[in-house]
Amino acid sequence: QVQLQESGPGLVKPSETLSLTCTVSGGSISSYYWSWIRQPPGKGLEWIGYIYYTGTTSYNSSLKSRVTISVDTSKNQFSLRLNSVTAADTAVYYCARGIPPYPWGQGTLVTVSS
Amino acid sequence: QSVLTQPPSVSAAPGQKVTISCSGTSSNIGNNYVSWYHKLPGTAPKLLIYDNNKRLSGIPDRFSGSKSGTSVTLVITGLQTGDEADYYCGTYDSSLSAVVFGGGTKLTVL
Repeated sequence: QVQLQESGPGLVKPSETLSLTCTVSGGSISSYYWSWIRQPPGKGLEWIGYIYYTGTTSYNSSLKSRVTISVDTSKNQFSLRLNSVTAADTAVYYCARGIPPYPWGQGTLVTVSS
Repeated sequence: QSVLTQPPSVSAAPGQKVTISCSGTSSNIGNNYVSWYHKLPGTAPKLLIYDNNKRLSGIPDRFSGSKSGTSVTLVITGLQTGDEADYYCGTYDSSLSAVVFGGGTKLTVL
């Protein structure tokens, strides 16, 4: 069955760019919507945005000015870039397939700190 | 402030039944399918229910979902201590063009 795995730096400095990649295995990325979702410590789930394999995107309006999601079908990967991060962006970041999002990657903790 | 509203916590004794509500509007729950997720600390959310009331393969029939207007309900019967977790509802919001979640409900099995 399809599996997703997040990868990227676990520590990002304030004002810098958070970059994560989600590698999809066991299935093709060339269908479905692919999402990024995060959970700050002690808080609930927050949808960041999604991308369709054709490149069509939709973003959470509260993050839209800082977020870019892209897809690389040749590598079966999609990526997240979040600019100008602050401590409020510290969270476990998940990638997921489809609407509703399922399955999910295991998640990766990204801490924003100097 | 989440788009969907859930109670922060619910509790019940082992063997009993618990209901978790999730309310929204016509732009989300009212006109789109809703899913329910089970989440333990340090693990990814696990899909339980999709399309308002369909159980994912392997999910016991102790878990059921229903929808009425702009609200949905997750019912768990025959509670077990292993059911303790956070539960989230989620759907698509047509006005926001966004996936939205409830704030989560912590289930305690006393």
